[in-house]
Amino acid sequence: AAGVIQSPRHLIKEKRETATLKCYPIPRHDTVYWYQQGPGQDPQFLISFYEKMQSDKGSIPDRFSAQQFSDYHSELNMSSLELGDSALYFCASSSRDFDSYEQYFGPGTRLTVT
Amino acid sequence: AQSVTQLGSHVSVSEGALVLLRCNYSSSVPPYLFWYVQYPNQGLQLLLKYTSAATLVKGINGFEAEFKKSETSFHLTKPSAHMSDAAEYFCAVSEGPNFGNEKLTFGTGTRL
Repeated sequence: AAGVIQSPRHLIKEKRETATLKCYPIPRHDTVYWYQQGPGQDPQFLISFYEKMQSDKGSIPDRFSAQQFSDYHSELNMSSLELGDSALYFCASSSRDFDSYEQYFGPGTRLTVT
Repeated sequence: AQSVTQLGSHVSVSEGALVLLRCNYSSSVPPYLFWYVQYPNQGLQLLLKYTSAATLVKGINGFEAEFKKSETSFHLTKPSAHMSDAAEYFCAVSEGPNFGNEKLTFGTGTRL
């Protein structure tokens, strides 16, 4: 079965640089979520999109922006990177089925800011 | 608002012993509850979920959890621990597929 695809898997950037993370949801899933997991921490919700519209926003810095495109893939853009942005970034996707609802997580992108 | 509390950041058990990882939730609406496992430097794998059907939920790798509304709990158990169960376990709550409220709120994790 198809899974959530994230690219790149690893990314190394310097402070003040820009990074773009990509997420390809499971086919026919209409909702995409982004989470950030710092070292030794639990995942924190950043932002979500339903049918290409932002549906919810969490603790996402103003330096970050995201969007969902017509093919349902999503991109998380991160500018003016700081050391504290070093984390594992997960994308998840879901469909609106009340009985079988769950979020399917991708393998994550590990961002290291030096 | 929703939240999850996982009691015990570290739990140690002997191989073959009962595993019990505790999770209490808070939610203003009937919750959807999940347990995820994360191995070092890896992603999140769903162990099991409660989505308002049966209160006793069976998952993968011999794990199960029971939803107890009166106790606002969703504890994870496994009758006999195996070395391969060593990992970080996260309990998470969601309001389910309601527009704008599906986000998962995770507990702080328990390292088994």
